[in-house]
Amino acid sequence: KQEVTQIPAALSVPEGENLVLNCSFTDSAIYNLQWFRQDPGKGLTSLLLIQSSQREQTSGRLNASLDKSSGRSTLYIAASQPGDSATYLCAVFGGSNYKLTFGKGTLLTVNP
Amino acid sequence: GAGVSQSPSNKVTEKGKDVELRCDPISGHTALYWYRQSLGQGLEFLIYFQGNSAPDKSGLPSDRFSAERTGGSVSTLTIQRTQQEDSAVYLCASRGLAGVTDTQYFGPGTRLTVL
Repeated sequence: KQEVTQIPAALSVPEGENLVLNCSFTDSAIYNLQWFRQDPGKGLTSLLLIQSSQREQTSGRLNASLDKSSGRSTLYIAASQPGDSATYLCAVFGGSNYKLTFGKGTLLTVNP
Repeated sequence: GAGVSQSPSNKVTEKGKDVELRCDPISGHTALYWYRQSLGQGLEFLIYFQGNSAPDKSGLPSDRFSAERTGGSVSTLTIQRTQQEDSAVYLCASRGLAGVTDTQYFGPGTRLTVL
């Protein structure tokens, strides 16, 4: 059974800092890995999707890496802003079925 | 274009009542998913539809939960004889047209509270 773990569970940083969120998964037989953002009371917004054959994806100040063999991914946020405050969820897709398996998220607070 | 929509946005019900939650996926998306997000449990898969059929129902927590999809579009998740532990946010997602590896687009969710 696929399990996804995210560390840390919560993170508070001052504005402008670069930061790294970590995600690990137990079954490396995945099709892809996604990072989502969730604001309070809202649905999920996809930030980055990395296919299993890729090593990283970048979008603006965000960079996500994937090491499938070791079951790890990181989300790097450069020059953090208060508007980045949200819960960040890592999810893997694939294995023996076509569902997303989520971690429990990292609650990020960026202080002005 | 329109994203995934869900209704109602909030539902408060009494224990023992039945509820129906609705999902309208993005037009043309053949794959549709239901997930549940509850405190302390994170986001959990419930059921996956490909067209009108459900090849994976493994996440439905009990036989009180059922779902259907008609016309390859709208889906309804029904919870019978609701219990307090059913209180959660129910999220629907549809998958993009690039195939099995495309992203899933999520709706805003239905917050269900069982009193």
